[in-house]
Amino acid sequence: GAGVSQSPRYKVAKRGQDVALRCDPISGHVSLFWYQQALGQGPEFLTYFQNEAQLDKSGLPSDRFFAERPEGSVSTLKIQRTQQEDSAVYLCASSLEAGVNGYTFGSGTRLTVV
Amino acid sequence: AQKVTQAQTEISVVEKEDVTLDCVYETRDTTYYLFWYKQPPSGELVFLIRRNSFDEQNEISGRYSWNFQKSTSSFNFTITASQVVDSAVYFCALSENGSGNTGKLIFGQGTTLQVKP
Repeated sequence: GAGVSQSPRYKVAKRGQDVALRCDPISGHVSLFWYQQALGQGPEFLTYFQNEAQLDKSGLPSDRFFAERPEGSVSTLKIQRTQQEDSAVYLCASSLEAGVNGYTFGSGTRLTVV
Repeated sequence: AQKVTQAQTEISVVEKEDVTLDCVYETRDTTYYLFWYKQPPSGELVFLIRRNSFDEQNEISGRYSWNFQKSTSSFNFTITASQVVDSAVYFCALSENGSGNTGKLIFGQGTTLQVKP
């Protein structure tokens, strides 16, 4: 597609529920990033994929967070047993090449845990 | 350690005023990139500029200009003759470009700019 598409746009989860957030990057983009943006804060890095390989997951806050990109295109960020502190906007970004070459961000998924 | 500081949390100006958004960064690397992004209420981060650490030339794009000063580790952003449509949250970001680096961005906390008619 023309841009990075994320779904759902909004998600309300009950505490303890598992959620899955989807990112459709721009076709052909090698690099894919997930960021977490808490209310009133800047985005914080979660994880990075180069094609299907997850090369950096140092930003994942706990083992409840898991991301995958099995075919090197669509990526899913899964959060198990959601907690209130997981409430945030989750942003996906993709880039044509590995490393720094300009990023296109999606509009994000706003997750609210109640 | 890498860090980006945007000391101004909120700025309010009247339309047609000039406004400067400050950004100070910290990095160990000699090679890095600096970015500015705009985040309107829709939530999407809109790319404004990327600057290589070796290029200290100031840049102007329409009403936007950027002042990169390596000596003070600052990369400030000025909007001339502000307009209501400039109202948004603006983020400064840093990416190190050393060997093996993934290019992940380190963002500041953002500056909310409100331009009143």
